[in-house]
Amino acid sequence: DTGVSQDPRHKITKRGQNVTFRCDPISEHNRLYWYRQTLGQGPEFLTYFQNEAQLEKSRLLSDRFSAERPKGSFSTLEIQRTEQGDSAMYLCASSFPVTGGETQYFGPGTRLLVL
Amino acid sequence: GDSVTQMEGPVTLSEEAFLTINCTYTATGYPSLFWYVQYPGEGLQLLLKATKADDKGSNKGFEATYRKETTSFHLEKGSVQVSDSAVYFCALSDPPGNQFYFGTGTSLTVIP
Repeated sequence: DTGVSQDPRHKITKRGQNVTFRCDPISEHNRLYWYRQTLGQGPEFLTYFQNEAQLEKSRLLSDRFSAERPKGSFSTLEIQRTEQGDSAMYLCASSFPVTGGETQYFGPGTRLLVL
Repeated sequence: GDSVTQMEGPVTLSEEAFLTINCTYTATGYPSLFWYVQYPGEGLQLLLKATKADDKGSNKGFEATYRKETTSFHLEKGSVQVSDSAVYFCALSDPPGNQFYFGTGTSLTVIP
């Protein structure tokens, strides 16, 4: 049973460049979530998908951020014109609907450093 | 809005000491409650969960009880080990299946 995978694990980029991250959820999970975590803080919600539909976006998700899940399987998160404040760990999680207490399973994260 | 307030760390304990990490929440509905753990260099892992009032989640010697009257979900362990050193996050989802709201995390270090 493979867990949630994310690629790349680390990314260093220069300010103003675009970056794209990929998340592969657990295969039978139809919900996929993106979070951002900065040092010393808990993860903050960015957006989530049910199948290919993007159902919710946080106010944190500026127009420089876009996420897709084209076939309801893997997802990509793109950040355009990166800023130093975008430096963070980007986490992906997936889940499957159950009656009450749906657990989200997290990937290892992609650590982004914007210079 | 929904939120989670978690006891600030860092917490340092001797091996075999009793652990409590406090967590209180604010929710507009009837949330599910979770504790996640992050070991050094690893991703977030579910430690335990509870989905309704008075439920007790337990795993690896850790326990937490869903207290609706005090809006709390405190994490406890009777005897910590060095291997329990990690960062612990309290979280809620409201309604269940929606995004998670996380606390800021509590770093625990257990010394031999």
